Amino acid sequence: DAGVTQSPTHLIKTRGQHVTLRCSPISGHKSVSWYQQVLGQGPQFIFQYYEKEERGRGNFPDRFSARQFPNYSSELNVNALLLGDSALYLCASSFYDEQYFGPGTRLTVT
Amino acid sequence: RKEVEQDPGPFNVPEGATVAFNCTYSNSASQSFFWYRQDCRKEPKLLMSVYSSGNEDGRFTAQLNRASQYISLLIRDSKLSDSATYLCVVNERKGSARQLTFGSGTQLTVLP
Repeated sequence: DAGVTQSPTHLIKTRGQHVTLRCSPISGHKSVSWYQQVLGQGPQFIFQYYEKEERGRGNFPDRFSARQFPNYSSELNVNALLLGDSALYLCASSFYDEQYFGPGTRLTVT
Repeated sequence: RKEVEQDPGPFNVPEGATVAFNCTYSNSASQSFFWYRQDCRKEPKLLMSVYSSGNEDGRFTAQLNRASQYISLLIRDSKLSDSATYLCVVNERKGSARQLTFGSGTQLTVLP
């Protein structure tokens, strides 16, 4: 079975631009979560979606938004990019408690 | 106080050694617990779920003490391939979300 897939793998943007990151969960998983990981730290929770509804939101500004589609894939959008948004963005899918991560999108903001 | 705290590391151990990682969490309402491993510039991979009774998977043993809010991971007979960062993870219910809260990770290097 295919694992969680994310696209793109790498992205370079300039300050002020916006970005859209994409995630496809493991087949049969209805929940998708997004995390941000900066160097030297553990991932930080951004959003969780289940059956197209937002179930939770972490301590991130309104520049961050997400949605989930009927096929359970998801997009994370970040507007007005700041240098501090440079990080690895991870998507995780889950059926129950255990969450499985995709390879991530490495975003660099210059 | 951080929600999930781990030994800062790094741990450098010879092949064949036994190494233990410890972790504490602050939210007594936390529901489930995991250890993930993360290789350099890769995604976290689920290593083990952690149960109150303790559980073992080959060379790996995880323990949970809910009263002390303490989680541990023991690796026996370390292999070079065990070199990675080990992340202690707590699954908390916040509203209707199940949110994973990660420790900062402990880096392990197994030396030949």
